[in-house]
This record gives sequence, structure tokens and C-alpha cells, in this order.
Amino acid sequence: EAQVTQNPRYLITVTGKKLTVTCSQNMNHEYMSWYRQDPGLGLRQIYYSMNVEVTDKGDVPEGYKVSRKEKRNFPLILESPSPNQTSLYFCASSLSFGTANSPLHFGNGTRLTVT
Amino acid sequence: GDSVTQMEGPVTLSEEAFLTINCTYTATGYPSLFWYVQYPGEGLQLLLKATKADDKGSNKGFEATYRKETTSFHLEKGSVQVSDSAVYFCALSVPGYGGGNKLTFGTGTQLKVEL
Repeated sequence: EAQVTQNPRYLITVTGKKLTVTCSQNMNHEYMSWYRQDPGLGLRQIYYSMNVEVTDKGDVPEGYKVSRKEKRNFPLILESPSPNQTSLYFCASSLSFGTANSPLHFGNGTRLTVT
Repeated sequence: GDSVTQMEGPVTLSEEAFLTINCTYTATGYPSLFWYVQYPGEGLQLLLKATKADDKGSNKGFEATYRKETTSFHLEKGSVQVSDSAVYFCALSVPGYGGGNKLTFGTGTQLKVEL
């Protein structure tokens, strides 16, 4: 089954403790992206990647890192999480970029709480 | 910059009622327009899209028409079901944007359908 898989689904951590949220897609998609969803703000893009070893900042990249060493994986790294990073995170992928005819496929989300 | 404005929710309807969720946008280029749906505990799924003026996107009984003159893309359904209860996001994408498939999302409208 074609899908985007995120892990974990739920994560509670403390301020400053490094964490990684994994994302993997099995559709051979070139483009991958991370979003955070907050009440009243909709979804905002954190980082995106147009292909292996090619990543760039989205609208809200501060406090996050990403890497794209393999086509299928795009982990999100919080080196020193803070409470304002408490949010619902989504990974998404699509076959290509720069076209509206390549829809995004989303994972089921990771709910992160930083205390 | 690009932006999407959706009506505030939640919207509560009885089963078989008519649904309209308003969406208007501002964009620097000629955007493609989308509606995504998020069911409880899941990621977003593409519901329908339209890529040029006067196009009508449709899926699962939902419709939306790309109105360039009013910069709108309102979502409609003639007869809602309890299973349509979800959060609906309007979004736009401007072709050729350097960030590829970056979608600009509205804040989402929660729909609750009751028996």
C-alpha cells in the first residue's frame, strides 16, 4: 500500500532533550516536506526537500533540522525542543515539485508535547 | 504574499443538509486551488482541485468552482452525511514557486454532521 509513515504517533518530552521524528514513503517520491499544524494557524511548512541531499527552509524553520540521505526517508530533528514546539507535525511527499498536478500525500501525524 | 481565508468553524449541520464552506484567496501568480480533508486522527487527503479559472473540481459529492473574478473556491455538497464530519482545508499552490509543491493552507473549518 502506498503510504507515508511517521513515527512516533505521540511523543511527550522535556525541554532540551533532542528528538527525531521519522518519515518514510514507499512511492519513490522526489519531493518531501514537513508541516506543523496549530489551532487557528492551519498548516505551516517547516522544511522541504526536492531530492536526495537537497533541502531548504519553509516558513517556520527555526529550531528544526532535516536531512535527506535517502530518497524514501526525511527525518525531522529537534536538537533542543522548547514548549513552543508543542504541535501536531505532518510529513508529506509528492512525485515531483513545481506542479499542481502532483498532489501531496500526508502521513497520519505526530503529536508532540514539550514540557 | 499568498494567503487563504476560510470561514470560521465549527459548522454543525443535520444529515442531508446542504453544505457550503467559503474560501477566498490572494496570490501573486496564477494559483491552483485545492480542498483537503482531515478525518479524526488522520493526515490530510486531497479531496478535489482546480487548476484554472472556471474549472470545477468534484469528488465524493463535493464540488468547488475556481472563480478568478471573485478569487474564491467555495466547497459545496448537496446532502451531507455523518461520515463527512472532518476538518476541511482550502489551499493554493502557485506553479513554479521556488519551493516546489508548497501549499499555502487556510486555517481549516471543522464540520460536524448530526443525525
